[in-house]
Amino acid sequence: DAKTTQPNSMESNEEEPVHLPCNHSTISGTDYIHWYRQLPSQGPEYVIHGLTSNVNNRMASLAIAEDRKSSTLILHRATLRDAAVYYCILGVYNAGGTSYGKLTFGQGTILTVHP
Amino acid sequence: EAQVTQNPRYLITVTGKKLTVTCSQNMNHEYMSWYRQDPGLGLRQIYYSMNVEVTDKGDVPEGYKVSRKEKRNFPLILESPSPNQTSLYFCASSFGAGNTQYFGPGTRLTVL
Repeated sequence: DAKTTQPNSMESNEEEPVHLPCNHSTISGTDYIHWYRQLPSQGPEYVIHGLTSNVNNRMASLAIAEDRKSSTLILHRATLRDAAVYYCILGVYNAGGTSYGKLTFGQGTILTVHP
Repeated sequence: EAQVTQNPRYLITVTGKKLTVTCSQNMNHEYMSWYRQDPGLGLRQIYYSMNVEVTDKGDVPEGYKVSRKEKRNFPLILESPSPNQTSLYFCASSFGAGNTQYFGPGTRLTVL
């Protein structure tokens, strides 16, 4: 299974941008890159996902390297409510495009946001 | 409101006493999954279901059973719980495994 590597922790100041990196050097051609986050005492929640092109939504942006071996989740202006564990995950697909059910969460990156 | 519900939210039990943790979703999702979360080990998938009557093992299925008789429900069954199954359990659902997954609030289980 393709795996991801993330830093254990990162820190940021409120109102500043945050760039959370993820390495996935063994990604396959049909793997989607997903990001979830888990706030304290809650279940994980979806943040963003992409395949090849950079993606933006109201929560964040996802920048995907041209060779797809790495990606970066960008929080444009961190707030205290963004303090969470951020997980970078690869969606597993077979060649026909049907998704398998197995998703592997890594350790994630603990993001601390300072006032 | 679209949601995934789990019951109970907290449970303390003893070794060997069968228990069921229920999971229900109201989004007509085909895919449902169970995870356990342990300190230092992150989230690990226990079982998943691609649709009614279709289930398969995840990374850590030993000691667990699941069933999917209806689309909305995906109960997790521990036939003979042991202390190493003390953990925080999450149920999730989505239209497909690669689609956005919606997680329940979690069930904290303690097996004495």
